[in-house]
Amino acid sequence: AQSVTQLDSHVSVSEGTPVLLRCNYSSSYSPSLFWYVQHPNKGLQLLLKYTSAATLVKGINGFEAEFKKSETSFHLTKPSAHMSDAAEYFCVVRTDTGRRALTFGSGTRLQVQP
Amino acid sequence: EAGVTQFPSHSVIEKGQTVTLRCDPISGHDNLYWYRRVMGKEIKFLLHFVKESKQDESGMPNNRFLAERTGGTYSTLKVQPAELEDSGVYFCASSRRGSLGSSYNSPLHFGNGTRLTVT
Repeated sequence: AQSVTQLDSHVSVSEGTPVLLRCNYSSSYSPSLFWYVQHPNKGLQLLLKYTSAATLVKGINGFEAEFKKSETSFHLTKPSAHMSDAAEYFCVVRTDTGRRALTFGSGTRLQVQP
Repeated sequence: EAGVTQFPSHSVIEKGQTVTLRCDPISGHDNLYWYRRVMGKEIKFLLHFVKESKQDESGMPNNRFLAERTGGTYSTLKVQPAELEDSGVYFCASSRRGSLGSSYNSPLHFGNGTRLTVT
């Protein structure tokens, strides 16, 4: 079985300050991990993915995430928030067991204050 | 390339009525998925097509939901009869069918979703 826990339902930061969105996962097998973002009235967009290569993954728009197996975490960070980063972010896991279904976290809504 | 397209963007129907949602995947994408987010809950997997075949339908909630992908191109998801708890956003996604070694790394491209409201 696999699951994802996003530790914060809402995060608010000021423009120009760092962003940290936390994610912990549970998986019986080697996982692939993803972060998706959804802006209002838009589809889900892939930010970055971890698939057992480098543990520090760089994504689009300056975001990155670090896979820490010992902590079963995959936190998303960005050094400096921009107003356009305001959206909902989803941590997602998929295990390589043949089933290709994604398991989503409950989402973290990021607010960026001017 | 054109993205994943879903129709309609919004649908409001009464309990007991039928609604059909449509998804047009990116051309050439053999994999097609349906997911939904019921209000206040996580996004949940419904089912997965490879071309016209249902590969995994373990997430379909009950027999009021019927998904088809005739010809392996666009897909429809019919809810009949709709219930109040079916309200939510239904997402479609597609991906290429990679080689065996890389099949799990093909990124999913999501549509904007259909917001279904059952009153």
